[in-house]
Amino acid sequence: KDQVFQPSTVASSEGAVVEIFCNHSVSNAYNFFWYLHFPGCAPRLLVKGSKPSQQGRYNMTYERFSSSLLILQVREADAAVYYCVCNFNKFYFGSGTKLNVKP
Amino acid sequence: EPEVTQTPSHQVTQMGQEVILRCVPISNHLYFYWYRQILGQKVEFLVSFYNNEISEKSEIFDDQFSVERPDGSNFTLKIRSTKLEDSAMYFCASRERVAGGRTDTQYFGPGTRLTVL
Repeated sequence: KDQVFQPSTVASSEGAVVEIFCNHSVSNAYNFFWYLHFPGCAPRLLVKGSKPSQQGRYNMTYERFSSSLLILQVREADAAVYYCVCNFNKFYFGSGTKLNVKP
Repeated sequence: EPEVTQTPSHQVTQMGQEVILRCVPISNHLYFYWYRQILGQKVEFLVSFYNNEISEKSEIFDDQFSVERPDGSNFTLKIRSTKLEDSAMYFCASRERVAGGRTDTQYFGPGTRLTVL
């Protein structure tokens, strides 16, 4: 079955680098998309692609069936839900990882 | 920056009633999507729409659901006879058709929270 897997929660402390891991079983999907979601707002794309990439404080690692989102110098304001998504014709969402940040 | 908008932000309805959720995708985008997220669960794909027809739909998207692009700007999701289990957040998304298309980004609206009583 085509699925995307990610941890339900990750905890970090302010200033640290936090890693959120994702892997999938979607056989024809090659790309990862990482979205940030604050409740009540539109999910926002952070970083995407089929190779390692970086956008500001957000780094994405890439393997064929797995990716990690690394957030550098994490802040309390980064506490939100992060979705790992892969696509093949349609988008397959992971269940979301809630990031908790301790001051 | 262009954005996807959705109205209303919150819709409350009685079971069995029809609801129409509205979305205005980004103006030069050609692909349109609806997703839903039941409280505490993950975002689920409902339907994709291109060239005035459904291109793909999930098993959730049964005969109670329909989509329409009634004019050049709106994209609607209709639920004919709502059930309690239709209560969820409904997200609209759109993407531009880009040659090669593999890393096209879907841009999401803020969602409509549907509550069925």
